[in-house]
Amino acid sequence: DIVMTQTPLSLSVTPGQPASISCKSSQSLLHSDGRTYLYWYLQKPGQSPQILMFEVSSRFSGVPARFSGSGSGTDFTLKISRVEAEDVGVYYCMQGVHFPRTFGQGTKLEIK
Amino acid sequence: QVQLVQSGAEVKKPGASVKVSCKLSGYTLTELPMHWFRQAPGKGLEWMGGLDPENGEKIYAQKLQGRVTMTEDTSTDTAYMELSSLRSEDTAMYYCATPPHYNGRAFDYWGQGTLVAVSS
Repeated sequence: DIVMTQTPLSLSVTPGQPASISCKSSQSLLHSDGRTYLYWYLQKPGQSPQILMFEVSSRFSGVPARFSGSGSGTDFTLKISRVEAEDVGVYYCMQGVHFPRTFGQGTKLEIK
Repeated sequence: QVQLVQSGAEVKKPGASVKVSCKLSGYTLTELPMHWFRQAPGKGLEWMGGLDPENGEKIYAQKLQGRVTMTEDTSTDTAYMELSSLRSEDTAMYYCATPPHYNGRAFDYWGQGTLVAVSS
């Protein structure tokens, strides 16, 4: 199974400040079709997960431009340029290259 | 617009089975591959299984093999996840989710979750 490792596991950020989450995979997420199947999800308190980014750096419909994704191979990063109160929750990376689909442990973002 | 509506919370005794439903609207189950996830209290997300679009076969997480069965009723576009021989460790929120198209690998659409509590 592909192991996904996120750091840090928690973040406390002042509104308006940036935040960054790292996700590393135990195997390359570059598929033979040339696409990299790394996704980011946010689970807000009491809600189902919602997709933020697909294939590393494409924002899902309606996701604010302050969210950006980058990386390749086994190393990926989710950045929030200016954190807002509505960004609180747990962020997960997920790989879509192989079954079983696997997630990082999650990074809990709270507001200072 | 895809919508997934799951059945209500369940309380089960150890050793029993539970069957959770997930009603799809906006598309049909022949168009979208359904997957199931769970999340134990205070823990992360765990993929349980779903349809592999490359071969049309169900694929299950190895740790649940033999205890989990995923089925569909295409006449009502309702997917089901049945978990047997329940243990306390199976206490979790269970989610159905689907990609936006048959060969999609992301899970754009999620149900609201079904809480399953296993307790004697």
